[in-house]
Order: sequence, then structure tokens, then C-alpha cells
Amino acid sequence: GAVVSQHPSWVICKSGTSVKIECRSLDFQATTMFWYRQFPKQSLMLMATSNEGSKATYEQGVEKDKFLINHASLTLSTLTVTSAHPEDSSFYICSARDPTGPNTEAFFGQGTRLTVV
Amino acid sequence: AQSVTQLGSHVSVSEGALVLLRCNYSSSVPPYLFWYVQYPNQGLQLLLKYTTGATLVKGINGFEAEFKKSETSFHLTKPSAHMSDAAEYFCAVSERGSYIPTFGRGTSLIVHP
Repeated sequence: GAVVSQHPSWVICKSGTSVKIECRSLDFQATTMFWYRQFPKQSLMLMATSNEGSKATYEQGVEKDKFLINHASLTLSTLTVTSAHPEDSSFYICSARDPTGPNTEAFFGQGTRLTVV
Repeated sequence: AQSVTQLGSHVSVSEGALVLLRCNYSSSVPPYLFWYVQYPNQGLQLLLKYTTGATLVKGINGFEAEFKKSETSFHLTKPSAHMSDAAEYFCAVSERGSYIPTFGRGTSLIVHP
């Protein structure tokens, strides 16, 4: 099946710094990727839809200047948390759509645990 | 608009007992339905899905779910729980052609020895 990989799996950063999280589709080209945020003991919340070669579409309430998304190639989307603060600490998960074949769902990465201290 | 309701934030069973995780959905169009499992600090793994055809769907690790349109339900079952089944389980619904599912709040499955 399609494989989506995130890097890093976990990261600790100081308050005020920026952190970049990568989401790669390893065996398919993903024209569309999705970024989710998950708070402890809660469900996934869609943050934005990332389209290759165009600007990301952000969900209501998500600060686009805070969470920069770049989808520069068909296999890579990045989420940069700028000027991170402790309240940005969370689990971030990406998913990617394989536009070929009969797939009916996007494929999820393993997630990135961000801790801001 | 779609929504998913998972009854019970926690379900506790003994090892070897039946597992039943409940999921009800609402959708204005015929939906795709999914169950995902999440282990601590990991992403989502697809257990099974219903898209069309047979309403009883078998998935990985011995899990299965039945799509009941009249009850708008998609409950997840497993005949005999293993300790390794302890995890968070998410039910999700999406419109056909959409790759953005709406997730339930999740149910934590606890398995006692």
C-alpha cells in the first residue's frame, strides 16, 4: 500500500523558534496532502489542505502565518510552525492522497510530536 | 454536513472477551466509513473500510464492522480481545470522492489480563 512518512517523529524546541515538519509520499506522487493537529486525548482536526504548486487552503481559525505550508514537489509537503509557543505543543499528522488507482482514502503518516519549552 | 458519534470514550474488556466499539454517523449522501487505530505517539492505521457492496467488512487483526444504513451505524467488533488491541480507535466518515474524513472523538480500548 501507499506509504507516507513524516520527519521528525518528535521534536523539542525553545519558545520563539521555528520548527519544520516534513511529510513525504514514498511510493506515489501526492498532488494533495492534508495536515492535522491532535490534542491529547482528542480527535484529529484538519488544519489545512496542501496542493502541489499552489497555496494551501487553511481551515477556519488556523493562522496561516503561524503554520506555513509548502508543497513544492509531488512527494513533499512541509509544515513550519513559526515562532513556536508552548500552546503549539501538539501531535501533528499529515495524510496524502494517491490520485492513481481505486484508492478511497488518504494515507496517514506516523505523526510528529512537537513540544515547545 | 457529516458527523460521527462514538459512544463511550473508554471501553474496558477482559482479554479473550468480545470487543464492541460503537459508531453512529450522519451524512446527507452515501458515505464511505472507516475505522482507524492509533497507538501512543503514532499515526493512524486503517483497520477497515466500507465503500460499497457487502455490508459486513472484515479488516486487519481480526476486526470487522457492519454497515447498517437503517441504523446509520458502523460498529466495530472483534470476537476475542488481545492485550495488543489496547489503543485508541477512531471511526470516520467521508463523502465519496473526498479524502478528508470527519473523525469521531475516539474510543480508548482497555484490555485487562
